[in-house]
Amino acid sequence: DTGVSQDPRHKITKRGQNVTFRCDPISEHNRLYWYRQTLGQGPEFLTYFQNEAQLEKSRLLSDRFSAERPKGSFSTLEIQRTEQGDSAMYLCASSLPFPGTGVGGELFFGEGSRLTVL
Amino acid sequence: SQQGEEDPQALSIQEGENATMNCSYKTSINNLQWYRQNSGRGLVHLILIRSNEREKHSGRLRVTLDTSKKSSSLLITASRAADTASYFCATDGAAGNKLTFGGGTRVLVKP
Repeated sequence: DTGVSQDPRHKITKRGQNVTFRCDPISEHNRLYWYRQTLGQGPEFLTYFQNEAQLEKSRLLSDRFSAERPKGSFSTLEIQRTEQGDSAMYLCASSLPFPGTGVGGELFFGEGSRLTVL
Repeated sequence: SQQGEEDPQALSIQEGENATMNCSYKTSINNLQWYRQNSGRGLVHLILIRSNEREKHSGRLRVTLDTSKKSSSLLITASRAADTASYFCATDGAAGNKLTFGGGTRVLVKP
């Protein structure tokens, strides 16, 4: 296991279609994060999991977005009825909190899944 | 919303020169981190500085943190063309459970 992997790396879809992205984190990391990044901007937090529990969701995550981490390992991010405004890079990251504190340490990012909605 | 804001938004320097970028944030933090991103790629962690630290070094990188001013700076010394990238600061907030990123500084190092 050499890092966080994301699949697919690129996805082109038509407006109204559903898309799903997968993230495989570093195996011993119990926290997993999803971010969205548009061109020229910094990553925006979408949601994060600790093990299989989804602990926080951003208000950016509309009802069309859903994320799961069923067994506390890989995660999926699904976007239903895609809109052109969903076009972005979707980044996944994993981490381990500092022992005994719960405070997060460094994030290890995947290469991202770039979504283009036509 | 983005808590950290970097300044400048873009920076162009000659190889060998130093590059300095600043980050301001709004709320209390446990730690502040800097990341680098090459075009079209994921982010790579550079350095983490805890709220009780004032300065930290890693190779050609030097980070300072002033919690009273809620600001940090990243200095890259003796820059190389390979340092061309976007640099982001990120803060964890009081809860320390997620990172909020700034808008980034785009650095171009000309050979």
